[in-house]
Amino acid sequence: QQQVKQSPQSLIVQKGGISIINCAYENTAFDYFPWYQQFPGKGPALLIAIRPDVSEKKEGRFTISFNKSAKQFSLHIMDSQPGDSATYFCAASSGSSASKIIFGSGTRLSIRP
Amino acid sequence: GAVVSQHPSWVICKSGTSVKIECRSLDFQATTMFWYRQFPKQSLMLMATSNEGSKATYEQGVEKDKFLINHASLTLSTLTVTSAHPEDSSFYICSALGRGYNEQFFGPGTRLTVL
Repeated sequence: QQQVKQSPQSLIVQKGGISIINCAYENTAFDYFPWYQQFPGKGPALLIAIRPDVSEKKEGRFTISFNKSAKQFSLHIMDSQPGDSATYFCAASSGSSASKIIFGSGTRLSIRP
Repeated sequence: GAVVSQHPSWVICKSGTSVKIECRSLDFQATTMFWYRQFPKQSLMLMATSNEGSKATYEQGVEKDKFLINHASLTLSTLTVTSAHPEDSSFYICSALGRGYNEQFFGPGTRLTVL
């Protein structure tokens, strides 16, 4: 019940295309859903996060769509660029960001020029 | 934004030796720090949570006598891998949460290789 399931494991998208990564969770106590971007040999960096009181959040080219009833959320990267090539992790936690974060398995995204 | 550093960025040691990794919050006071381990091409797994001045809380399956965590000040936490073995080789990442912030800030990670 603590798991966050993420798909796909890897994704190749043409430059300018839309990258979509999906996640699902079971624990209804989760109330904070961040996405992290990680480059090889670096620590993860927060990209965008959402709480379940909204169904969508957009920041620049990055959008989170959240479906509370289905317990699913997804990351959309519009106009994908080669610099977006990285590993993306969805995550979830409950209570606050001070709580432990449960990470998804990760998606390795490659943007073809 | 808030910055978290780790030292060293990489370390190679012989089997049986101990290695200390430092995690520092550079421009904020970290009330809580988290330590993660990441094996190649895998996700981050939380090892322990530490609050300044108190004992760390370890996740199930993490040996507290092997992975010693000290959070002695509001800007420094250390992870000591005692009697390291090749299976301890991994990428160790810390994160920090500070007063007034609502997100954890991650360090750049430390690559540990045990020969």
